[in-house]
Amino acid sequence: GAVVSQHPSRVICKSGTSVKIECRSLDFQATTMFWYRQFPKQSLMLMATSNEGSKATYEQGVEKDKFLINHASLTLSTLTVTSAHPEDSSFYICGGGRPNTEAFFGQGTRLTVV
Amino acid sequence: AQRVTQPEKLLSVFKGAPVELKCNYSYSGSPELFWYVQYSRQRLQLLLRHISRESIKGFTADLNKGETSFHLKKPFAQEEDSAMYYCALSSSGSARQLTFGSGTQLTVLP
Repeated sequence: GAVVSQHPSRVICKSGTSVKIECRSLDFQATTMFWYRQFPKQSLMLMATSNEGSKATYEQGVEKDKFLINHASLTLSTLTVTSAHPEDSSFYICGGGRPNTEAFFGQGTRLTVV
Repeated sequence: AQRVTQPEKLLSVFKGAPVELKCNYSYSGSPELFWYVQYSRQRLQLLLRHISRESIKGFTADLNKGETSFHLKKPFAQEEDSAMYYCALSSSGSARQLTFGSGTQLTVLP
C-alpha cells in the first residue's frame, strides 16, 4: 500500500483568517495528489488535482484563489483556505498513490470557521 | 459527466443475514469501479476494485455493464462490517481521481 498523512486532523479558525492543511506521502513519491471536500452526510467531492512542480487543476466551481494548492515536493501537497468563512467549514481529505494503483487517503481535516 | 448513485443512505441488517449495498453509475466510456469503506474514526480505505475480481472480507461486487451497476454483496454480515461504504468511479485512467457516491451507512445488528 501507500501511506498518506494529513495534518492537522482538526482546526478551528476565525472568520477572515487563512488555514493551511498539509498532506504528505510517507512511503512513496507523489507526482499528483487529490483534494476532496466532504459536507456533512454527503459524499466526497473532488476539488482539485495537485501536480508536483506545476499548477493545480481545479474542478468546475472551485475557486482557485480561495483554495490555494501548492505541491512543491514529491512528498508534500498543501491546501490553504484563504480568508475563511463559516461556509468553508467542512471535512477535507487528500489522497494519492503510486502510479497505476488505487487511491490511499489521509485521515482528513475537520475545519471549523467561527 | 460521470455520476455514481447509492440509493440507500442507511441500511441495517442482522448478523448472519445477507447484505447488498446498491451502486449504479452513469458514464459513457469504460469506467473503473471501486468500493471504499470507512470504519468509525478511521480513514477511507479501499475494499475492492472491479478489475481485480477479488473477494475481500467476504465481500464481492460484480460490474454489470448492462445495468450499469456495481452492487456490493456479502452472504453473511458480521457486526464488524458496520461502517460507511462508498462506491466510486474512475474515468480518467487514474485510479486515484474518483467520483464518489453519497455513501451507505451499514449497521449490522447483533
